Amino acid sequence: DQQVKQNSPSLSVQEGRISILNCDYTNSMFDYFLWYKKYPAEGPTFLISISSIKDKNEDGRFTVFLNKSAKHLSLHIVPSQPGDSAVYFCAARQEDTGGFKTIFGAGTRLFVKA
Amino acid sequence: ETGVTQSPTHLIKTRGQQVTLRCSSQSGHNTVSWYQQALGQGPQFIFQYYREEENGRGNFPPRFSGLQFPNYSSELNVNALELDDSALYLCASTTGAGNTIYFGEGSWLTVV
Repeated sequence: DQQVKQNSPSLSVQEGRISILNCDYTNSMFDYFLWYKKYPAEGPTFLISISSIKDKNEDGRFTVFLNKSAKHLSLHIVPSQPGDSAVYFCAARQEDTGGFKTIFGAGTRLFVKA
Repeated sequence: ETGVTQSPTHLIKTRGQQVTLRCSSQSGHNTVSWYQQALGQGPQFIFQYYREEENGRGNFPPRFSGLQFPNYSSELNVNALELDDSALYLCASTTGAGNTIYFGEGSWLTVV
């Protein structure tokens, strides 16, 4: 039972254009959503997050949009740069017995072509 | 640089053996969680420790166990290793009320 889904395993974008990475979730109890970036041979690095009470959060070139009614979030990168080439993971947090746990999608590999 | 350190970075074990992986959390973080990331998949939640007590567990068998110490560092132990246990094991830390978890570089385990 995959609660966080990233249906596109890969995405290729030209440098300078917009990259849009999508994520769908099934659990309406998720209260916080995050995006992580992962380069080979490194651990995932936190990128940007959004609370379930908001619909948009922006940080420089990165913007995350949340559509709660559709249970969908997306990450926009504008303008895309070759250094953005990495695997991007969508994650969602839910309260669990005694604490919280963060659930991850399978990831989308982004290729930004120079 | 997240301040979360893991050891060892790489190791090879034989099927049936036991392994212990270690993690030092970021300063001030009292909550540690462990994830397994197999090739081509996202991190899968194993369990979480808060103030030395397990307070959340994913869908992993009991041969996956852990500890958290008073200084908030943590261990992941896996008994009776199987070939499918070959993966990247990630440790992440946060504060008890923290929204964001921060990962270490991971420990690559190969079971042969």
